[in-house]
Amino acid sequence: RKEVEQDPGPFNVPEGATVAFNCTYSNSASQSFFWYRQDCRKEPKLLMSVYSSGNEDGRFTAQLNRASQYISLLIRDSKLSDSATYLCVVTVGGSGDKLTFGTGTRLAVRP
Amino acid sequence: DADVTQTPRNRITKTGKRIMLECSQTKGHDRMYWYRQDPGLGLQLIYYSFDVKDINKGEISDGYSVSRQAQAKFSLSLESAIPNQTALYFCATSGGGSSYNEQFFGPGTRLTVL
Repeated sequence: RKEVEQDPGPFNVPEGATVAFNCTYSNSASQSFFWYRQDCRKEPKLLMSVYSSGNEDGRFTAQLNRASQYISLLIRDSKLSDSATYLCVVTVGGSGDKLTFGTGTRLAVRP
Repeated sequence: DADVTQTPRNRITKTGKRIMLECSQTKGHDRMYWYRQDPGLGLQLIYYSFDVKDINKGEISDGYSVSRQAQAKFSLSLESAIPNQTALYFCATSGGGSSYNEQFFGPGTRLTVL
């Protein structure tokens, strides 16, 4: 079983739609959680951290469910510029800031 | 100017050749990492370094070596390149304090081994 699993997509949605991605992780000792964004052939960039109480940044909302070991990302009012691959990332339990990356979920927003 | 730079950006080499990929950063971070990315596999950690005298193996270090020449420089070597090392390679850095988990990536090096 992969340490971090994501649906690869693609999710193809119209502008203005709301879309949600889920991610599951296998290591119950994982300590920190993130969503990174990667544009085609570019480097990953941090989108947002994920906190236990859930957190929001503009149109983006992240949730963490430790009991079920999954993380979610909700994007409201999708823009064309949101088209990218979204990487779910967790820290390896007890290993400081070594990150384990999911394979990513691809989002395509159409006009 | 970019905070994390990688050279070369693209490289085509032949099986058996030794090559070096270089990474430099101006962020003043202590921690540096090398990853490779393959389609469908996500980013995999090759080596990482928490300071100049510290080198640690990642998930897939076989066939690779690294050198941390200075705080700002971390190079990755393929001693004898093989075709399955064809991939996109990223260098990353992270700092200390409350944001130490955020990693900043270079633009990547696309390596092709024929």
